[in-house]
Amino acid sequence: GENVEQHPSTLSVQEGDSAVIKCTYSDSASNYFPWYKQELGKRPQLIIDIRSNVGEKKDQRIAVTLNKTAKHFSLHITETQPEDSAVYFCAASKEGAQKLVFGQGTRLTINP
Amino acid sequence: DAGITQSPRHKVTETGTPVTLRCHQTENHRYMYWYRQDPGHGLRLIHYSYGVKDTDKGEVSDGYSVSRSKTEDFLLTLESATSSQTSVYFCAISREVNEQFFGPGTRLTVL
Repeated sequence: GENVEQHPSTLSVQEGDSAVIKCTYSDSASNYFPWYKQELGKRPQLIIDIRSNVGEKKDQRIAVTLNKTAKHFSLHITETQPEDSAVYFCAASKEGAQKLVFGQGTRLTINP
Repeated sequence: DAGITQSPRHKVTETGTPVTLRCHQTENHRYMYWYRQDPGHGLRLIHYSYGVKDTDKGEVSDGYSVSRSKTEDFLLTLESATSSQTSVYFCAISREVNEQFFGPGTRLTVL
């Protein structure tokens, strides 16, 4: 079945710098790749997603890129702010799979 | 947040007792999921449902059962709770397989 690997497990950046989190997936049939943000003590919340028919998607300071050939996708956060501190999860699914497969999560800390 | 609630939000129980967690949605979404979240393990799927009375196992289903007798409710039962089932449990819903929305979570402690 699908396997999703997420790196790094922890990431610390200075406020204002950029942060990049990368995920690789194993099933070339996967076609949907969401990213979730989970603040301390809260529920995971969908922040951005991408489908396999596009290579990049942006929403203000966050963007996701997809490389289908290499089977990896990345979350990019620019001009980081303290409120970006959280755990971020990537996931993948394919048509007909009925479920998402999640990565292990990345704890992002923004240092003031 | 999508119309999804979980009850109870916190529960402390003893080893060997049965426990039922409830997920309730007002969105009329077809799919419902139960996950557990533990440090170092991310989100692991326990069971999911793709319609009333239609359920299937996830990657960590041992020791858990589920039921869905109506669209809005998805119940997770621990028949005989063990300390290894101490965790935070999240329910999620989705209209299609994609775009899952999570409930607020239930923190379960098994002593």
